[in-house]
Amino acid sequence: AQTVTQSQPEMSVQEAETVTLSCTYDTSENNYYLFWYKQPPSRQMILVIRQEAYKQQNATENRFSVNFQKAAKSFSLKISDSQLGDTAMYFCAFMKQGRGAQKLVFGQGTRLTINP
Amino acid sequence: GAGVSQSPRYKVTKRGQDVALRCDPISGHVSLYWYRQALGQGPEFLTYFNYEAQQDKSGLPNDRFSAERPEGSISTLTIQRTEQRDSAMYRCASAGGGSFYEQYFGPGTRLTVT
Repeated sequence: AQTVTQSQPEMSVQEAETVTLSCTYDTSENNYYLFWYKQPPSRQMILVIRQEAYKQQNATENRFSVNFQKAAKSFSLKISDSQLGDTAMYFCAFMKQGRGAQKLVFGQGTRLTINP
Repeated sequence: GAGVSQSPRYKVTKRGQDVALRCDPISGHVSLYWYRQALGQGPEFLTYFNYEAQQDKSGLPNDRFSAERPEGSISTLTIQRTEQRDSAMYRCASAGGGSFYEQYFGPGTRLTVT
């Protein structure tokens, strides 16, 4: 079974700073996907970024980027030039590769607060 | 539709009553998932469907929980004889199309059992 661990329950930074959220996972699979989801106070679940394990290049989406270290089973999220709207819970999630989409396994989340 | 919709958004029920939660996925999405999220925790998988076939129900906590998707579109999660420990946010997600592995979540149904 796969497990996902987010070791930082809470983080707080000033607006415009860069912040990195940590995520590690445990799996015996070689092919899989990793995701970061954002859950703002509205409690919607919003897909932020994804990474395919077979790709060596780290994924980037505007101010959001990941540092994927497959051997270390690490998948951190970097938010550059943080904005007040980035305040949210962030969940790291794992999905093994199979026929079609598979279930997501989530970490416990990191509560990020961006201060003005 | 434009996104995943769920109804009702809020449900308060008395212990022992049955509840039915509905999910309407993104049009054309083949896969539909149900998750449960306790406050302050990440979502936990319950079950999922490809078309109308239930592929995995290993996350359903006990036999009071069941789900169906009879026509491969709308799905219903039913909880019989509700208990207080069933109180949580129930989330539905769908996936399909080009990025078939990306799941898009609905707003959730907050269930409170009194």
